[in-house]
Amino acid sequence: EVQLVQSGAEVKKPGESLKISCQGSGYRFTDYWIGWVRQKPGKGLEWMGVIDPDDSDTTYSPSFQGQVTISADTSISTAYLHWSTLKASDTAVYYCARHDGAMDVWGQGTTVTVSS
Amino acid sequence: SYVLTQPPSVSVAPGQTARITCGGNIGRESVHWYQQRPGQAPVLVVYDDSDRPSGIPERFSGSKSGNTATLTIIRVEAGDEADYYCQVWDSSSDHGGVFGGGTKVTVL
Repeated sequence: EVQLVQSGAEVKKPGESLKISCQGSGYRFTDYWIGWVRQKPGKGLEWMGVIDPDDSDTTYSPSFQGQVTISADTSISTAYLHWSTLKASDTAVYYCARHDGAMDVWGQGTTVTVSS
Repeated sequence: SYVLTQPPSVSVAPGQTARITCGGNIGRESVHWYQQRPGQAPVLVVYDDSDRPSGIPERFSGSKSGNTATLTIIRVEAGDEADYYCQVWDSSSDHGGVFGGGTKVTVL
Protein backbone atom coordinates (compact mmCIF):
# COMPACT_ATOMS: atom_id res chain seq x y z
CA GLU A 1 0.00 0.00 0.00
CA VAL A 2 1.31 3.40 -0.98
CA GLN A 3 1.23 5.76 1.98
CA LEU A 4 2.77 8.86 3.46
CA VAL A 5 3.08 9.04 7.23
CA GLN A 6 3.71 12.40 8.86
CA SER A 7 5.24 13.24 12.21
CA GLY A 8 3.08 14.14 15.19
CA ALA A 9 1.56 17.39 16.36
CA GLU A 10 3.86 20.12 17.58
CA VAL A 11 3.41 23.00 20.03
CA LYS A 12 6.13 25.63 19.80
CA LYS A 13 6.84 29.19 20.86
CA PRO A 14 7.40 32.11 18.46
CA GLY A 15 11.03 32.33 17.41
CA GLU A 16 11.69 28.61 17.81
CA SER A 17 12.72 26.32 14.97
CA LEU A 18 10.89 23.23 13.79
CA LYS A 19 11.27 20.42 11.29
CA ILE A 20 8.36 18.11 10.49
CA SER A 21 8.63 14.94 8.45
CA CYS A 22 6.80 12.85 5.87
CA GLN A 23 7.86 9.25 5.28
CA GLY A 24 6.83 7.43 2.13
CA SER A 25 6.35 3.68 1.74
CA GLY A 26 4.97 1.25 -0.80
CA TYR A 27 6.65 2.89 -3.79
CA ARG A 28 10.07 4.04 -4.97
CA PHE A 29 10.50 7.31 -3.11
CA THR A 30 12.70 8.91 -5.78
CA ASP A 31 10.13 8.35 -8.54
CA TYR A 32 7.73 11.06 -7.33
CA TRP A 33 8.00 14.60 -6.08
CA ILE A 34 6.74 15.43 -2.59
CA GLY A 35 4.72 18.60 -2.11
CA TRP A 36 3.69 20.48 1.04
CA VAL A 37 0.35 22.18 1.62
CA ARG A 38 -0.73 24.51 4.43
CA GLN A 39 -4.25 24.79 5.80
CA LYS A 40 -4.88 27.45 8.41
CA PRO A 41 -7.82 26.92 10.78
CA GLY A 42 -11.09 27.25 8.90
CA LYS A 43 -9.33 28.21 5.67
CA GLY A 44 -8.50 26.69 2.30
CA LEU A 45 -5.52 24.78 0.97
CA GLU A 46 -2.32 26.69 0.14
CA TRP A 47 0.39 25.12 -2.02
CA MET A 48 3.76 25.76 -0.41
CA GLY A 49 6.40 23.99 -2.43
CA VAL A 50 7.71 20.73 -3.81
CA ILE A 51 10.90 18.68 -3.84
CA ASP A 52 12.19 16.14 -6.32
CA PRO A 53 13.82 13.61 -3.96
CA ASP A 54 15.93 12.26 -6.81
CA ASP A 55 18.06 15.40 -7.07
CA SER A 56 16.72 17.57 -4.21
CA ASP A 57 15.57 20.22 -6.68
CA THR A 58 12.93 22.40 -5.05
CA THR A 59 10.25 24.85 -6.21
CA TYR A 60 8.55 27.21 -3.77
CA SER A 61 5.41 29.28 -4.02
CA PRO A 62 6.37 32.97 -3.97
CA SER A 63 4.30 33.24 -0.79
CA PHE A 64 6.54 30.76 1.01
CA GLN A 65 9.93 31.39 -0.62
CA GLY A 66 12.41 32.20 2.14
CA GLN A 67 9.91 31.33 4.88
CA VAL A 68 10.42 27.55 4.91
CA THR A 69 12.90 25.00 3.62
CA ILE A 70 11.97 21.69 2.01
CA SER A 71 14.47 18.85 2.03
CA ALA A 72 14.59 15.08 1.67
CA ASP A 73 16.63 12.10 2.82
CA THR A 74 16.27 9.30 0.29
CA SER A 75 18.03 6.79 2.54
CA ILE A 76 14.96 6.79 4.78
CA SER A 77 12.36 7.83 2.17
CA THR A 78 11.53 10.97 4.11
CA ALA A 79 10.81 14.56 3.19
CA TYR A 80 10.99 17.48 5.59
CA LEU A 81 9.52 20.92 6.07
CA HIS A 82 11.67 23.24 8.18
CA TRP A 83 11.17 26.60 9.82
CA SER A 84 14.13 28.44 11.37
CA THR A 85 11.99 31.06 13.13
CA LEU A 86 8.36 30.26 13.78
CA LYS A 87 5.65 32.90 13.99
CA ALA A 88 2.16 32.70 15.45
CA SER A 89 0.83 32.97 11.90
CA ASP A 90 2.46 29.60 11.10
CA THR A 91 -0.23 27.88 13.18
CA ALA A 92 -1.89 25.47 10.76
CA VAL A 93 -2.20 21.89 9.61
CA TYR A 94 0.52 20.91 7.15
CA TYR A 95 0.04 18.13 4.65
CA CYS A 96 2.56 16.39 2.48
CA ALA A 97 1.46 14.71 -0.73
CA ARG A 98 2.96 12.68 -3.53
CA HIS A 99 3.07 15.13 -6.43
CA ASP A 100 2.97 14.14 -10.08
CA GLY A 101 1.08 17.10 -11.49
CA ALA A 102 -1.82 16.00 -9.34
CA MET A 103 -1.29 15.17 -5.68
CA ASP A 104 -2.48 11.59 -5.56
CA VAL A 105 -1.48 10.34 -2.11
CA TRP A 106 -1.66 12.51 1.01
CA GLY A 107 -0.25 12.25 4.48
CA GLN A 108 -2.55 12.49 7.47
CA GLY A 109 -1.45 16.03 8.30
CA THR A 110 0.68 17.54 11.06
CA THR A 111 -0.84 20.18 13.32
CA VAL A 112 1.59 22.93 14.25
CA THR A 113 0.58 25.36 16.99
CA VAL A 114 2.76 28.39 17.63
CA SER A 115 1.84 30.29 20.76
CA SER A 116 3.60 32.14 23.52
CA SER B 1 0.14 35.86 -9.38
CA TYR B 2 -1.91 32.93 -10.61
CA VAL B 3 -5.54 32.92 -9.38
CA LEU B 4 -8.15 30.17 -9.56
CA THR B 5 -11.71 31.29 -8.81
CA GLN B 6 -14.31 28.97 -7.31
CA PRO B 7 -17.79 29.75 -5.95
CA PRO B 8 -17.68 29.70 -2.12
CA SER B 9 -20.66 27.40 -1.82
CA VAL B 10 -23.01 25.13 -3.74
CA SER B 11 -26.17 23.59 -2.31
CA VAL B 12 -27.83 20.54 -3.81
CA ALA B 13 -30.61 18.15 -2.88
CA PRO B 14 -29.86 14.43 -2.55
CA GLY B 15 -30.07 12.66 -5.88
CA GLN B 16 -29.55 15.84 -7.85
CA THR B 17 -26.45 17.10 -9.70
CA ALA B 18 -23.82 19.43 -8.28
CA ARG B 19 -21.56 21.45 -10.55
CA ILE B 20 -18.50 23.26 -9.22
CA THR B 21 -16.59 25.62 -11.46
CA CYS B 22 -12.94 26.71 -11.42
CA GLY B 23 -12.00 29.74 -13.49
CA GLY B 24 -8.63 31.19 -14.39
CA ASN B 25 -5.96 31.18 -17.06
CA ILE B 26 -6.14 27.39 -17.23
CA GLY B 27 -6.65 26.79 -20.93
CA ARG B 28 -3.33 25.00 -21.34
CA GLU B 29 -3.02 23.57 -17.83
CA SER B 30 -4.20 20.26 -16.45
CA VAL B 31 -6.79 20.75 -13.73
CA HIS B 32 -7.05 18.47 -10.71
CA TRP B 33 -9.86 18.28 -8.16
CA TYR B 34 -9.77 17.29 -4.48
CA GLN B 35 -12.46 16.47 -1.95
CA GLN B 36 -11.85 17.31 1.70
CA ARG B 37 -14.29 16.12 4.33
CA PRO B 38 -14.20 17.85 7.74
CA GLY B 39 -11.17 16.86 9.79
CA GLN B 40 -9.70 14.73 7.03
CA ALA B 41 -6.88 15.03 4.52
CA PRO B 42 -7.81 15.91 0.93
CA VAL B 43 -8.51 13.14 -1.56
CA LEU B 44 -7.87 13.36 -5.30
CA VAL B 45 -11.15 12.79 -7.17
CA VAL B 46 -10.29 13.97 -10.71
CA TYR B 47 -6.92 14.53 -12.37
CA ASP B 48 -5.79 15.88 -15.74
CA ASP B 49 -9.13 17.65 -16.30
CA SER B 50 -11.29 14.53 -16.57
CA ASP B 51 -9.57 11.34 -15.40
CA ARG B 52 -10.71 9.53 -12.30
CA PRO B 53 -8.33 7.73 -9.89
CA SER B 54 -9.15 4.14 -9.08
CA GLY B 55 -11.68 3.87 -6.28
CA ILE B 56 -13.45 7.15 -7.08
CA PRO B 57 -17.11 6.61 -8.01
CA GLU B 58 -18.19 7.24 -11.58
CA ARG B 59 -20.61 9.83 -10.18
CA PHE B 60 -17.63 12.21 -10.14
CA SER B 61 -16.51 13.67 -13.46
CA GLY B 62 -14.46 16.58 -14.69
CA SER B 63 -14.47 18.71 -17.81
CA LYS B 64 -12.89 21.86 -19.13
CA SER B 65 -13.94 24.41 -21.69
CA GLY B 66 -11.66 27.35 -22.41
CA ASN B 67 -10.66 28.89 -19.10
CA THR B 68 -13.30 27.17 -16.97
CA ALA B 69 -13.07 23.69 -15.49
CA THR B 70 -16.07 21.97 -13.95
CA LEU B 71 -16.39 19.16 -11.42
CA THR B 72 -19.76 17.44 -11.74
CA ILE B 73 -21.23 15.14 -9.13
CA ILE B 74 -24.36 13.28 -10.23
CA ARG B 75 -26.81 11.52 -7.93
CA VAL B 76 -25.45 13.45 -4.97
CA GLU B 77 -25.35 11.63 -1.64
CA ALA B 78 -25.07 12.91 1.92
CA GLY B 79 -21.48 11.65 2.04
CA ASP B 80 -20.52 14.03 -0.78
CA GLU B 81 -20.89 16.98 1.56
CA ALA B 82 -17.37 18.39 1.71
CA ASP B 83 -15.05 21.12 0.51
CA TYR B 84 -13.81 20.77 -3.06
CA TYR B 85 -10.64 22.38 -4.42
CA CYS B 86 -9.28 22.72 -7.93
CA GLN B 87 -5.52 22.84 -8.50
CA VAL B 88 -3.13 23.40 -11.40
CA TRP B 89 0.60 23.61 -11.97
CA ASP B 90 1.46 27.11 -13.18
CA SER B 91 3.72 26.18 -16.09
CA SER B 92 3.85 29.76 -17.40
CA SER B 93 5.88 31.06 -14.47
CA ASP B 94 7.12 27.82 -12.89
CA HIS B 95 5.98 29.12 -9.50
CA GLY B 96 4.56 25.71 -8.83
CA GLY B 97 1.12 24.62 -7.80
CA VAL B 98 -1.92 26.76 -7.13
CA PHE B 99 -5.21 25.88 -5.41
CA GLY B 100 -8.56 27.51 -5.91
CA GLY B 101 -10.24 28.99 -2.87
CA GLY B 102 -12.46 25.97 -2.38
CA THR B 103 -16.20 25.32 -2.67
CA LYS B 104 -18.32 24.05 0.19
CA VAL B 105 -20.90 21.58 -1.11
CA THR B 106 -23.92 21.31 1.15
CA VAL B 107 -26.38 18.47 0.69
CA LEU B 108 -29.81 19.76 1.66
